[in-house]
Amino acid sequence: GAGVSQSPSNKVTEKGKDVELRCDPISGHTALYWYRQSLGQGLEFLIYFQGNSAPDKSGLPSDRFSAERTGGSVSTLTIQRTQQEDSAVYLCASSPLETQYFGPGTRLLVL
Amino acid sequence: GENVEQHPSTLSVQEGDSAVIKCTYSDSASNYFPWYKQELGKGPQLIIDIRSNVGEKKDQRIAVTLNKTAKHFSLHITETQPEDSAVYFCAANGGSQGNLIFGKGTKLSVKP
Repeated sequence: GAGVSQSPSNKVTEKGKDVELRCDPISGHTALYWYRQSLGQGLEFLIYFQGNSAPDKSGLPSDRFSAERTGGSVSTLTIQRTQQEDSAVYLCASSPLETQYFGPGTRLLVL
Repeated sequence: GENVEQHPSTLSVQEGDSAVIKCTYSDSASNYFPWYKQELGKGPQLIIDIRSNVGEKKDQRIAVTLNKTAKHFSLHITETQPEDSAVYFCAANGGSQGNLIFGKGTKLSVKP
């Protein structure tokens, strides 16, 4: 079946611009996660959605970062006024219970 | 909160040898421990997981062991092949709402 998809696969932007990253989870998965992975580093938790509950935003690094999940399915991660240190791979994962299934990621480069 | 440490950060083995990657965790309430393989330019892929009600799980050349008392778990890959070369991440549940906490990864290189 279809896995988690993310778009765009690559994004190059200029410092100060806003960007939106999209995640389409596996159908029926109630949980959705966003992570950030800097070059050669591990996965940094950003935000977690579970059903209709309020999201866990405890990992968001600053108020420039926000995320929405519409209709319990597609999610958008928005980064406002991008900075060079925001350059990283942004990974989305969805889960039916415990096991998380990852998408291919969006590689963001802020010039 | 949960903290996961992973060792070694890099590992180089000859094809056919075994590889072992070790992780420790801090939260005794954690009860789910997955391992992911990440190839260059791709997202992490689940390769095996274990729950705290068992001590060992095996899937062909891959096995995972869990010691709840010592709070550590290990990934064992036998008869390594060049296509096993990748970055491997361990993880444990234990975040505030069950999100996974990841180790920093091990870059495994299998030399033919």
